[in-house]
Amino acid sequence: DTGVSQDPRHKITKRGQNVTFRCDPISEHNRLYWYRQTLGQGPEFLTYFQNEAQLEKSRLLSDRFSAERPKGSFSTLEIQRTEQGDSAMYLCASTPGTKNNEQFFGPGTRLTVL
Amino acid sequence: KQEVTQIPAALSVPEGENLVLNCSFTDSAIYNLQWFRQDPGKGLTSLLLIQSSQREQTSGRLNASLDKSSGRSTLYIAASQPGDSATYLCAVRGWSGNTPLVFGKGTRLSVIA
Repeated sequence: DTGVSQDPRHKITKRGQNVTFRCDPISEHNRLYWYRQTLGQGPEFLTYFQNEAQLEKSRLLSDRFSAERPKGSFSTLEIQRTEQGDSAMYLCASTPGTKNNEQFFGPGTRLTVL
Repeated sequence: KQEVTQIPAALSVPEGENLVLNCSFTDSAIYNLQWFRQDPGKGLTSLLLIQSSQREQTSGRLNASLDKSSGRSTLYIAASQPGDSATYLCAVRGWSGNTPLVFGKGTRLSVIA
C-alpha cells in the first residue's frame, strides 16, 4: 500500500485552457474526497464519492468543474476554461468507510493559471 | 455552519520547549476531530484522530485532547525539535460521519535550533 497518489504534482496552464487531475486512493478505500487549498488557508471541500457515486458537491464547485470516479477506483477532476482564481493546491483524500473514518491525503496537485 | 479557528496563527519557539496549539469549533455535534501536519508545498499527514466519545489520543511526543461540549481541542507537543517545524491543521467531521472535514487555517510552527 503506497498511500494516496496524485498526478501531476504541478501544472502550469494559461487562462482558458482545460486541465485534468488524477487521484488514486488507497486500495479498498470506498470514499474519496477532493479539496482545494489556497495560500494561508485550510483545505476547503469540493466534492465526495462513495464508490462510483458522487454524493455531495460544494458550492465552490462551479459548472466549470467536473469530477468522476469510474468503477469506484481512481478519480479525475477536470477544470474547464481555467481562470486565475483557480490557482490553488488540489488535494485528494480517501477513507476506508469504517467506523474510524480517518482521512488520508495525497501530496496534492499545485495548479498555476497564468 | 461549522467554523474552525486555530490560535495562534504562527508560533516560534526554541528547541526543547513544550508547546500547545489550540483549535476551537462552533458546532459541538461532531463525529471526530483530526490533527494534520503540512510541510510547505506538500500534502497533509494525519497525526491523530479523536472520536467524539474520546477525551484524548497520544502518539509519541504528541497528545491531543478533545472537549466536545466546549468546542475545543488542543495539540500538545513535548520536547519540540526543529523537524517539528510545519503547519498544523485541525479539522472536524460532522455528526453523520460521512461528511467532509472542515478545516481551520492552521498554526505555522517554527522550532529554532
